[in-house]
Amino acid sequence: DQQVKQNSPSLSVQEGRISILNCDYTNSMFDYFLWYKKYPAEGPTFLISISSIKDKNEDGRFTVFLNKSAKHLSLHIVPSQPGDSAVYFCAASALLGNQFYFGTGTSLTVIP
Amino acid sequence: NAGVMQNPRHLVRRRGQEARLRCSPMKGHSHVYWYRQLPEEGLKFMVYLQKENIIDESGMPKERFSAEFPKEGPSILRIQQVVRGDSAAYFCASSLQGQPQHFGDGTRLSIL
Repeated sequence: DQQVKQNSPSLSVQEGRISILNCDYTNSMFDYFLWYKKYPAEGPTFLISISSIKDKNEDGRFTVFLNKSAKHLSLHIVPSQPGDSAVYFCAASALLGNQFYFGTGTSLTVIP
Repeated sequence: NAGVMQNPRHLVRRRGQEARLRCSPMKGHSHVYWYRQLPEEGLKFMVYLQKENIIDESGMPKERFSAEFPKEGPSILRIQQVVRGDSAAYFCASSLQGQPQHFGDGTRLSIL
């Protein structure tokens, strides 16, 4: 049972434009959400997180938006750069829980 | 850079052999997680350990798989009598309580 879903397996964006990666979840107990970036042959790298008390968190070019009523979060990358080309995973957990549930990933390609 | 260290990076085993995957967490981290990534799939949680204790093993297959995190030394994921379906990338992550997980670069297990 996939509790965190990334319905777009891939996304291509022109350099300089905005990349929007989407993630949906089903468990209303989730209250902590993270985005990871993964290059081939490497482990995922933590990018940005948001807790359910917020609806937006920004770090440089990366912004995560959380819509609790829709059980939806998104990652915006502005402006997109070729080095952003990677697989992006969203993950969710309950703050007091032990498990982080990961989506299946979205492969982002930024075209120079 | 004392990140999460996994070894070996690549492991080849024949069907029926044992596979041992090692993970040294980041300095100061007492929480260790193991994930498996099958081709074309996301990261699947397997087990969460703290020193000398298995906290949550709900993602572990019931047979042939075991994990430990001893008082001294790395965490070990052990797979006995490997089968072709065990071929995957196995990632270890470590964290402080309630903080984002930091991942190693994984062990790619291939079963001949």
